Amino acid sequence: NAGVTQTPKFRVLKTGQSMTLLCAQDMNHEYMYWYRQDPGMGLRLIHYSVGEGTTAKGEVPDGYNVSRLKKQNFLLGLESAAPSQTSVYFCASSYSAPALSGNTIYFGEGSWLTVV
Amino acid sequence: ILNVEQSPQSLHVQEGDSTNFTCSFPSSNFYALHWYRWETAKSPEALFVMTLNGDEKKKGRISATLNTKEGYSYLYIKGSQPEDSATYLCAFINTDKLIFGTGTRLQVFP
Repeated sequence: NAGVTQTPKFRVLKTGQSMTLLCAQDMNHEYMYWYRQDPGMGLRLIHYSVGEGTTAKGEVPDGYNVSRLKKQNFLLGLESAAPSQTSVYFCASSYSAPALSGNTIYFGEGSWLTVV
Repeated sequence: ILNVEQSPQSLHVQEGDSTNFTCSFPSSNFYALHWYRWETAKSPEALFVMTLNGDEKKKGRISATLNTKEGYSYLYIKGSQPEDSATYLCAFINTDKLIFGTGTRLQVFP
């Protein structure tokens, strides 16, 4: 059982380049999330999805786009990378709403992105 | 903007010491609070999901309590071991989203 898988794990981009981070989960989860983690700032929500075909903005959505064309995949795109987007990106998923008792979030292992 | 605060930011204890951390969150529109354990270079792993005021949950030497009326949760570790060294995160559930605190980094020395 792979759980939540992120690709790529490491990437170096030049300012202005574009790229897509892929998150895949094999647990039939409805909810998926993209977070970024920066020193001293914890995990900040970029975008999330409550089901196939849906997306919504989180706390820090600017500069990112997402798509959820298939239930198992959640893509995070950077159209024109900036040095401020250097970060560790975590994907996560949950079976249904995290407000419901017992619905924990499962995280991927992270993707390290450096923009130079 | 919802604010979730954790204290202290970091903690260094000796093996065998008991310790506790605090998570403060908005007391209105409470849905649930999660605690996660995050080891360096690994994924955060869920410890507890707490939904009811007065909830008390336990997993081995780790336990947590919840006070939704005043907006705080405590995480306790009894008899800390070096393998407990990690960052402990709490997350406040706001409808469909988890809003994380910045974490408490625990270092347990042998």
